[in-house]
Amino acid sequence: AQKVTQAQTEISVVEKEDVTLDCVYETRDTTYYLFWYKQPPSGELVFLIRRNSFDEQNEISGRYSWNFQKSTSSFNFTITASQVVDSAVYFCALRGVTGGGNKLTFGTGTQLKVEL
Amino acid sequence: NAGVTQTPKFRILKIGQSMTLQCAQDMNHNYMYWYRQDPGMGLKLIYYSVGAGITDKGEVPNGYNVSRSTTEDFPLRLELAAPSQTSVYFCASSHNRGRDYEQYFGPGTRLTVT
Repeated sequence: AQKVTQAQTEISVVEKEDVTLDCVYETRDTTYYLFWYKQPPSGELVFLIRRNSFDEQNEISGRYSWNFQKSTSSFNFTITASQVVDSAVYFCALRGVTGGGNKLTFGTGTQLKVEL
Repeated sequence: NAGVTQTPKFRILKIGQSMTLQCAQDMNHNYMYWYRQDPGMGLKLIYYSVGAGITDKGEVPNGYNVSRSTTEDFPLRLELAAPSQTSVYFCASSHNRGRDYEQYFGPGTRLTVT
């Protein structure tokens, strides 16, 4: 069975602080994909990044960066110089290759509040 | 492209009523999904479909039914609404080829059963 754990339920930071959202996953598949989605207060789900299990290179996109470490089964997400617009719920998700259907297993999400 | 569209945006049902949540996508995606999101929880998969005429149960299928007669549409049916079905429902779609495996989500339907 697959599992995604986001232990941080809620994080509050002051604008311009850096913040890291943790994601730990479990899977028996040797090939798998990890995702981060953002859910702003308006409610829609916005895709941020996909990483496959063969690619442990860290990724940076503007103020966002992701640290994938297979040794610790973690796929952490860092926002540098946070802004109020970053306030949202962030979900980490996992897709294995067995079972078909491209099904995603989601974590319970981390609510990020960025205050002035 | 409109992407993934869902109707209605909001709905209040009485216990025992039935309704259909509509979902459509115009990206020619083979795979479609229905999720529910309860407060403080992640998304749970209700049903999914890998193509027209093919559907399968997800993690929480009880109380729901689906059909997939076309590539574009994937309606979700609640036959006898119960308070436990109060939730936000998201429809999603994805390709099944190449590296394009992201799921694209609709805006959601907020359902309250009283």
